Amino acid sequence: EDQVTQSPEALRLQEGESSSLNCSYTVSGLRGLFWYRQDPGKGPEFLFTLYSAGEEKEKERLKATLTKKESFLHITAPKPEDSATYLCAVPEPYRRSNYKLTFGKGTLLTVNP
Amino acid sequence: DVKVTQSSRYLVKRTGEKVFLECVQDMDHENMFWYRQDPGLGLRLIYFSYDVKMKEKGDIPEGYSVSREKKERFSLILESASTNQTSMYLCASSSVRAGGNTIYFGEGSWLTVV
Repeated sequence: EDQVTQSPEALRLQEGESSSLNCSYTVSGLRGLFWYRQDPGKGPEFLFTLYSAGEEKEKERLKATLTKKESFLHITAPKPEDSATYLCAVPEPYRRSNYKLTFGKGTLLTVNP
Repeated sequence: DVKVTQSSRYLVKRTGEKVFLECVQDMDHENMFWYRQDPGLGLRLIYFSYDVKMKEKGDIPEGYSVSREKKERFSLILESASTNQTSMYLCASSSVRAGGNTIYFGEGSWLTVV
């Protein structure tokens, strides 16, 4: 069974202090890795999909990278509005080419002004 | 933009009541999902559906059932609500035809069972 582990569980940064979140996974054949952002009381919002080791994607202050065993979400010079829970997930196939996602428990990021 | 709409944001129900949580998506997605989210446990898949009238059990289906009579609508049913079903419920949809397997979520429904 696929497993997804995120670390740290919580991270507190000062505004402008760059850092990284980690997502490690055990899958039998990676079919992509997803990152989501979730604000309190809301549904997860899609950020990135990475499909192969070495791939990188960027959005504003966020950059996601992927290796064969883990993914990192790098946050450069964060702002208070980046405070959220960040979730990663891996797809598990079912029925032809359809997929369902298995999620990690998330990293709660707090950026203080 | 993909829109997944959950009809009820906040519900309070009594133990033993039958509860319906409704979800509608407007992008003609073939796949729909129901997750629940609890502190410390993350998102857990309850049921999913890959076509009208089709359903598959997820990781925690006990105490729940689902209905998908139309492609755009996926309902989660708690036959007899219990206090341990107090949670945030998230509906989601996806389509391989939409270019990949990205899952899009609704805003969530907060259910309290008293």
